[in-house]
This record gives sequence, structure tokens and C-alpha cells, in this order.
Amino acid sequence: LAKTTQPISMDSYEGQEVNITCSHNNIATNDYITWYQQFPSQGPRFIIQGYKTKVTNEVASLFIPADRKSSTLSLPRVSLSDTAVYYCLVANSSNTGKLIFGQGTTLQVKP
Amino acid sequence: DGGITQSPKYLFRKEGQNVTLSCEQNLNHDAMYWYRQDPGQGLRLIYYSQIVNDFQKGDIAEGYSVSREKKESFPLTVTSAQKNPTAFYLCASRGPGGDTQYFGPGTRLTVL
Repeated sequence: LAKTTQPISMDSYEGQEVNITCSHNNIATNDYITWYQQFPSQGPRFIIQGYKTKVTNEVASLFIPADRKSSTLSLPRVSLSDTAVYYCLVANSSNTGKLIFGQGTTLQVKP
Repeated sequence: DGGITQSPKYLFRKEGQNVTLSCEQNLNHDAMYWYRQDPGQGLRLIYYSQIVNDFQKGDIAEGYSVSREKKESFPLTVTSAQKNPTAFYLCASRGPGGDTQYFGPGTRLTVL
């Protein structure tokens, strides 16, 4: 199972772009990278998933370099409501079962 | 309306009592998971099940038990052997082919 490493915390201001990087040096060929967002006392919710290059949806972008040993979640123009914990998860496409979350990155958006 | 439900949202128990947390999903997912989260911490895997009538221990299974008699249901029992059971418990399910995990709203267990 690929272990992930993220910064423990980040601060930003409203309207700024925030980039959170996750390291996953031992990612396997058939592993996908998924990012989740968690608010206090709620279950994590899916933000974005990718395998390589760039993926964009209405909420965020995910940048994955060619070696896939890291990934960067990009949140454009954050607002106060984006204050949350963000988790990077690496798992393969077969249903292996065991999915391990890292510590996550606590993003604090200030006015 | 598809999703995962956990009940109750808040649960209080006396020390030494077993308690069972409910998790139900109507997403037709084979895999289901239980995580524990302590204040300011990440999610730690307790048990997971890839298919009915089969489950495996996660990283912190001691003091917990599960069953998977139906595809839709994966109840977690917190036994009296769990030394520090007060925590936020999250249930999740996952579909096939690299599908994402879907989480329930969580149950906050407080042992008095």
C-alpha cells in the first residue's frame, strides 16, 4: 500500500489559490490518487480523483507529474467555507479492501 | 436517494458495556469499512469487508468486532475490551473498479 505524506497544516486568505501537495513515492502502476475533504464532525467527501497529468472539475484541479510520485490539489479562489481537512489517498483500481488515510492537511482560510 | 446511513448520530454508554453502531448502504457496494477518528487526528482503519460473510482486521481492531451477514449492512460492536472507546466512528463503502469511497455522517460515541 502506498504511504502518503502531506503537510500537517496550511493557512490562506480568501480569494487566494491554494495548492496542497501529497507525496506517494511507492505508488504502484494501477494506483489512483483521490482527494477528500472533511469538515468537523462529518464524514469525508470526495473532491477529485486522477491517475496522471491533470484533472479538473467544478471544485478543484489535480496535477500529477509524469513519475506520479506526488500530486497537487489546487483549490482556486478559496473562501472561508473551504476551511477543512484535506486527505490524499492512494489506492489501486482492484478492490483490495484495505484503504489507509494519512493525517491529512488542515487548511485554515482567513478573511 | 442512495447513500450510507449511520445511526445514531450521538451515543452514550457506561463504561464496561458493549455497544453496536449501525451502518447501512444502498449503493450496492461490495466493500465496506469502519474508521475511528480522535480529535485533531486522521482516520484509522478498524475493520473492512470486501464481500458478504468476510472481513479483515485493520490497524486498530483490538476491542472491536464486526459482522457482514448482508451486503447492505456492516455493524460495528465496541466491546468492553476497548480501552478508550470514546471517539467519532465513520463507516464507508466503495464500489468496484477504483470507485471512490462514500462515507456516512458518523457516530460520536461517548463512554461515561
